Amino acid sequence: DTGVSQNPRHKITKRGQNVTFRCDPISEHNRLYWYRQTLGQGPEFLTYFQNEAQLEKSRLLSDRFSAERPKGSFSTLEIQRTEQGDSAMYLCASSLSAGAGYEQYFGPGTRLTVT
Amino acid sequence: AQTVTQSQPEMSVQEAETVTLSCTYDTSESNYYLFWYKQPPSRQMILVIRQEAYKQQNATENRFSVNFQKAAKSFSLKISDSQLGDTAMYFCAFMKSYSNYQLIWGAGTKLIIKP
Repeated sequence: DTGVSQNPRHKITKRGQNVTFRCDPISEHNRLYWYRQTLGQGPEFLTYFQNEAQLEKSRLLSDRFSAERPKGSFSTLEIQRTEQGDSAMYLCASSLSAGAGYEQYFGPGTRLTVT
Repeated sequence: AQTVTQSQPEMSVQEAETVTLSCTYDTSESNYYLFWYKQPPSRQMILVIRQEAYKQQNATENRFSVNFQKAAKSFSLKISDSQLGDTAMYFCAFMKSYSNYQLIWGAGTKLIIKP
């Protein structure tokens, strides 16, 4: 088990372009979370999957954001028509659905810079 | 809505000293979890310690311990015999039980251990 992985680690894009990030959770974890972290702040919850079902979306997640988790394995987060305000670290985490205090294991994040 | 407050933006101590990081939270829930996560520079978020609200006994993990005061809604982290590798951002986080299990985060405390 290699932990949670995220790709790419860094992404620089021009305003208006679409970007897609990938998260591969720990294999036996059925819950997957996306958070956004801006410089000097704690992460903010974006969305959450249990298996392939997206069960909750934050009001922070505008219509330009979409997340999927086909087959309940890896997940993708797409941002359409990027804006400079989207520049942030996007963190993915996974957990089991019970036990261990619902500990979330985090990936290294994808740092997005919108120019 | 739940909120988490970390009132110390930055702290620094000498190696081998003991340091306490503060965290307060606001909730009307009675069942919840509290966490301290560590985020070393350019590295991923790692769980340091976890506390279940229904447990009166303070959690301890090696050099890390918490002082959980449920009535006061306070959850401080004590690091004993601090080491250079403890240098990191430390985040306090709250999770409501029987919910979507999203973490609600404080703004973080930057801890610097000086040699």
